[in-house]
Amino acid sequence: QQQVKQSPQSLIVQKGGISIINCAYENTAFDYFPWYQQFPGKGPALLIAIRPDVSEKKEGRFTISFNKSAKQFSLHIMDSQPGDSATYFCAAPMNRDDKIIFGKGTRLHILP
Amino acid sequence: DAGVIQSPRHEVTEMGQEVTLRCKPISGHNSLFWYRQTMMRGLELLIYFNNNVPIDDSGMPEDRFSAKMPNASFSTLKIQPSEPRDSAVYFCASSFIGNQPQHFGDGTRLSIL
Repeated sequence: QQQVKQSPQSLIVQKGGISIINCAYENTAFDYFPWYQQFPGKGPALLIAIRPDVSEKKEGRFTISFNKSAKQFSLHIMDSQPGDSATYFCAAPMNRDDKIIFGKGTRLHILP
Repeated sequence: DAGVIQSPRHEVTEMGQEVTLRCKPISGHNSLFWYRQTMMRGLELLIYFNNNVPIDDSGMPEDRFSAKMPNASFSTLKIQPSEPRDSAVYFCASSFIGNQPQHFGDGTRLSIL
């Protein structure tokens, strides 16, 4: 079964620093790679997503970098803020419907 | 706009009892997903429906688990009989068909004593 390997499992970053979370996926013919953000007591919510016809997508302080040949993609959070403290999940599609496989998550803590 | 609505938010029950979790997807969405989240296993897809039809239930752990979607605005996940190892947070999510973002509810925290 396809897997999505996410690292690190947890991350502590100083306020104002850069948070980097990495994901690697196995074979997939499909074209949608989302990142979800989850706060305690809430469901995951879409943060940003990329289609692999581009190598990078930026939305505010959040950037996805995509390396199709290496089957890797990463989330960068610039100028990290305490409000960014949450669990982040990467995901990759399994098929042309909506089935996606989630990484195990990264618990991010931003120190004030 | 109303998001995905799940009920109850918390459920505590004794082993062997039947548990029913409920979900109302976002109006107009035609895909619905049930997930289970635990510390050990992360976020696992249990089953998903397209246009109210179950498409893939390979994630359903045992025959004790069943899910239904009688219409486009309601789905249930039932566990009978429940066991302590079923304790987890169960999420429902909905989307449009075709690799569109999934919108999650706030989950049901289930504790089986």
